[in-house]
Amino acid sequence: DSGVTQTPKHLITATGQRVTLRCSPRSGDLSVYWYQQSLDQGLQFLIHYYNGEERAKGNILERFSAQQFPDLHSELNLSSLELGDSALYFCASSPLPDTEAFFGQGTRLTVV
Amino acid sequence: AQSVTQLDSQVPVFEEAPVELRCNYSSSVSVYLFWYVQYPNQGLQLLLKYLSGSTLVKGINGFEAEFNKSQTSFHLRKPSVHISDTAEYFCAVSRSGYALNFGKGTSLLVTP
Repeated sequence: DSGVTQTPKHLITATGQRVTLRCSPRSGDLSVYWYQQSLDQGLQFLIHYYNGEERAKGNILERFSAQQFPDLHSELNLSSLELGDSALYFCASSPLPDTEAFFGQGTRLTVV
Repeated sequence: AQSVTQLDSQVPVFEEAPVELRCNYSSSVSVYLFWYVQYPNQGLQLLLKYLSGSTLVKGINGFEAEFNKSQTSFHLRKPSVHISDTAEYFCAVSRSGYALNFGKGTSLLVTP
């Protein structure tokens, strides 16, 4: 158990819908990262938050957004969903930006 | 920007044989290097990391890796694999203040 909690574990939704994925980092970790894992793209970095502030953006679509709250949990919002958004979405946390990241179990999103 | 190339997408090996999973990186600045393992339907687990210091890094489950700056490589090795080592292995690179950037992964298949 990495100490990073992601909910829900599975999510099935229809095209055009909006979903919210939630992540609780390890206790004391200030950095939260979101990654998308798909068969064709591999593990893609989406976005990084540090202590509530957006730190870096990766290959995140404009339809996607995220935030980190004062209690350090984070949410990833995916809107206007398309079939191609079906993937595993991982959250990871670390105490500092340049140390190793600890990954949650992921949320498997299926868009039908 | 830093990037990672995992040279083999699949590596089949017999149980108790040695294995090497290859990883090359590109970066114009000093980097940190990591190997993660992903078992089916699970998140990523850190195997080992190189931040600085000794170029030979030992990790969990009997794995080790050697940082070679001149060849920009960070190959993962294990002298004797077990069936339970069957999994997907990811090499990752980062630099100070930045998120991890992952390779495409190498699928290790250990057979009796």
